[in-house]
Amino acid sequence: GEDVEQSLFLSVREGDSSVINCTYTDSSSTYLYWYKQEPGAGLQLLTYIFSNMDMKQDQRLTVLLNKKDKHLSLRIADTQTGDSAIYFCAEWVDYKLSFGAGTTVTVRA
Amino acid sequence: EADIYQTPRYLVIGTGKKITLECSQTMGHDKMYWYQQDPGMELHLIHYSYGVNSTEKGDLSSESTVSRIRTEHFPLTLESARPSHTSQYLCASSADRPQETQYFGPGTRLLVL
Repeated sequence: GEDVEQSLFLSVREGDSSVINCTYTDSSSTYLYWYKQEPGAGLQLLTYIFSNMDMKQDQRLTVLLNKKDKHLSLRIADTQTGDSAIYFCAEWVDYKLSFGAGTTVTVRA
Repeated sequence: EADIYQTPRYLVIGTGKKITLECSQTMGHDKMYWYQQDPGMELHLIHYSYGVNSTEKGDLSSESTVSRIRTEHFPLTLESARPSHTSQYLCASSADRPQETQYFGPGTRLLVL
């Protein structure tokens, strides 16, 4: 929604790291999420971070949270062709999930 | 792997028809949601439910209706489909605490001619 903003497109070479950025406006967000959507499919939860954390790492995924700047990022190490998808950032606030418009990640050989 | 199912996956139907999109989850979640997503666009919450006999309208106005008679089932109905209803409809469910993580079904792609 309008409270969560993401860049729309990212192109990355296979094997490089991808960094997807997201900004949100509501400082009362308790949880922030990253979802992945492949063509024609629903959303798959990748990871989430609680608002009192700065960083969370899960295999190739690293989430960084800067509460002061209300900035969330997702880093994908060693990007593979299977990582091509749309990535949605979402914040949990007012008992609802508010999604960004999604970042389309294209992995090129 | 989340156990949440949606049927049909794809539906092409004529204007004026009544349709019901099914959503079921086997995780015992109290909370369920319906989102509408146009191609390449963000998700918009159209309905949600916090339990049996509880339904609320979401942020995006929708001509659809929902019901929650059983915990595991949250169908969405369009009484008279129109071309403007063409979209993808995503169902999700979540447990209460602690992290309110929502698990999504595969979606239903609806095309109204």
